[in-house]
Amino acid sequence: DAGVIQSPRHEVTEMGQEVTLRCKPISGHNSLFWYRQTMMRGLELLIYFNNNVPIDDSGMPEDRFSAKMPNASFSTLKIQPSEPRDSAVYFCASSFRGQTAGRNQPQHFGDGTRLSIL
Amino acid sequence: TQLLEQSPQFLSIQEGENLTVYCNSSSVFSSLQWYRQEPGEGPVLLVTVVTGGEVKKLKRLTFQFGDARKDSSLHITAAQPGDTGLYLCAGSYPQGGSEKLVFGKGMKLTVNP
Repeated sequence: DAGVIQSPRHEVTEMGQEVTLRCKPISGHNSLFWYRQTMMRGLELLIYFNNNVPIDDSGMPEDRFSAKMPNASFSTLKIQPSEPRDSAVYFCASSFRGQTAGRNQPQHFGDGTRLSIL
Repeated sequence: TQLLEQSPQFLSIQEGENLTVYCNSSSVFSSLQWYRQEPGEGPVLLVTVVTGGEVKKLKRLTFQFGDARKDSSLHITAAQPGDTGLYLCAGSYPQGGSEKLVFGKGMKLTVNP
């Protein structure tokens, strides 16, 4: 079975440029999560969706960050304009949340996008 | 704000040694998960513990959830080079009708042959 697929795997760009990260969740999963991982702060939740609807975006650092999920099989995380401090590894994860308490549903992570802003 | 502290942050040991990783918080969690992450890859779930005092074993790995559901430990017996990686604990808690995960910063383990 295909896991969570993220693209690109690596992105190097100059500050001020727009960056778009992409994620294809596991088929049948209805929850999608975007995380950012750095040495200093570890793995931080940016935003998550249930059934394509953003539920909690309190982790999105600034208005420069935006995320969309136009359908159940695709999500994007956009940074515009990008800054050097945005450099990190960005992970997408998906899980299945049933109607009755999905607290134990494991999250499946993609292999991440390593983003470097020069 | 829920926070999880992991210790130690780094550990380098010889093959065959035993080790314990700790994950502590002042908050109560619905459940606690342990992940292992290798370079260039995403975290992979090892186990979920739900009940206070619960102990789960996965081959040479033993996971325990504290009685108060605020802390957890991971014990590895007879470590092998293949155990090398970043071990992350993550606590689950309800917020806004959903369950959120908060991660510790991880423990980077190196097992030398």
